[in-house]
Amino acid sequence: DAGVTQSPTHLIKTRGQQVTLRCSPISGHKSVSWYQQVLGQGPQFIFQYYEKEERGRGNFPDRFSARQFPNYSSELNVNALLLGDSALYLCASSLKGNQPQHFGDGTRLSIL
Amino acid sequence: SQKIEQNSEALNIQEGKTATLTCNYTNYSPAYLQWYRQDPGRGPVFLLLIRENEKEKRKERLKVTFDTTLKQSLFHITASQPADSATYLCALGLYTDKLIFGTGTRLQVFP
Repeated sequence: DAGVTQSPTHLIKTRGQQVTLRCSPISGHKSVSWYQQVLGQGPQFIFQYYEKEERGRGNFPDRFSARQFPNYSSELNVNALLLGDSALYLCASSLKGNQPQHFGDGTRLSIL
Repeated sequence: SQKIEQNSEALNIQEGKTATLTCNYTNYSPAYLQWYRQDPGRGPVFLLLIRENEKEKRKERLKVTFDTTLKQSLFHITASQPADSATYLCALGLYTDKLIFGTGTRLQVFP
């Protein structure tokens, strides 16, 4: 079975631009979460979606938004990019909450 | 303030020995705790989940303990191998389904 897939794998943007990252969960998983990981740190929670509804939001500005589609795939959007948004963005899926989360290999976003 | 602390220093051990990694937390009441392995350039890989009413969980060479009184989890790898070299992350699972990660401990197993 395919694991969590994320696209693109790498992305370079400039300050002020907007970016959309995509995630396809493991088949049958209805919960998708997004994390930001900067070098040397653990992943930091951004959003969780379950059955297309937002179930949790981390301490990130409103420039960050996400949605989940009827097929349970998800997009993360970041507007007005800042240098500090440079990070590895990870998507994780699970059957439901309180279950092991399975991560993709992330999108490496670099802001110039 | 709320904190999750893992061994900040890298852990270097000899092949065949038991590696013990520590995860301490303050001002959280987790419903469960998970351990993940992360290799450079890759996403975290799930290893074990232990719930608040469980004391110990095992899977092959891995063992995790969870002491909610001490607010501590210990993660053990027995008969360690060079292939076990990676960064290990602990993550607290809150009742809101949100995972809070520690900064990770880098384990290096030498032949």
